[in-house]
Amino acid sequence: GAVVSQHPSWVICKSGTSVKIECRSLDFQATTMFWYRQFPKQSLMLMATSNEGSKATYEQGVEKDKFLINHASLTLSTLTVTSAHPEDSSFYICSALVGGSYEQYFGPGTRLTVT
Amino acid sequence: GEDVEQSLFLSVREGDSSVINCTYTDSSSTYLYWYKQEPGAGLQLLTYIFSNMDMKQDQRLTVLLNKKDKHLSLRIADTQTGDSAIYFCAESGSGGYNKLIFGAGTRLAVHP
Repeated sequence: GAVVSQHPSWVICKSGTSVKIECRSLDFQATTMFWYRQFPKQSLMLMATSNEGSKATYEQGVEKDKFLINHASLTLSTLTVTSAHPEDSSFYICSALVGGSYEQYFGPGTRLTVT
Repeated sequence: GEDVEQSLFLSVREGDSSVINCTYTDSSSTYLYWYKQEPGAGLQLLTYIFSNMDMKQDQRLTVLLNKKDKHLSLRIADTQTGDSAIYFCAESGSGGYNKLIFGAGTRLAVHP
């Protein structure tokens, strides 16, 4: 089956620093990847859609300069949280979509804690 | 706008059937999905149904779709303790099957 990995699985950083989260499709090529944010006991909120070789499309209310997304290859997308603040603490989940498919394969998530 | 609603909690006895309900608003949704999330983990796709179908069965899982009422349900037969998790309903929304709109999730607790 299709496998998506995320790295790191959890990270603690200090306010003002930047953190990069990687999302990889391990056994397939993903033309499109998605980044979600999930608060405790809440649903997933789509942050942005990442297409390989082009700029990401951000959802309304998501700051593109704060959440930098790069989709440099068909198997890797990265999310960088810049100048992190405690309110950025959350569970970040990525998913990957095979072109022409109706299934999104989700990564295991990355828990970010900003102190 | 697009919205998906689910009840937040369901408790069942081991061996009984569980029924998790979901309502959605976007009638143009092409696909509707059920995902399972265990504590601290990502989402696992359980099953999906195409909008022109009424029912889909996959082993212990049965999905029923009432398109007129925009109601989706997931029935888990012979519920086991390993089924304890949060179940998310999602619709593909007007953005096509790429962009998923999730419900808040139903926490299923299975007790002996």
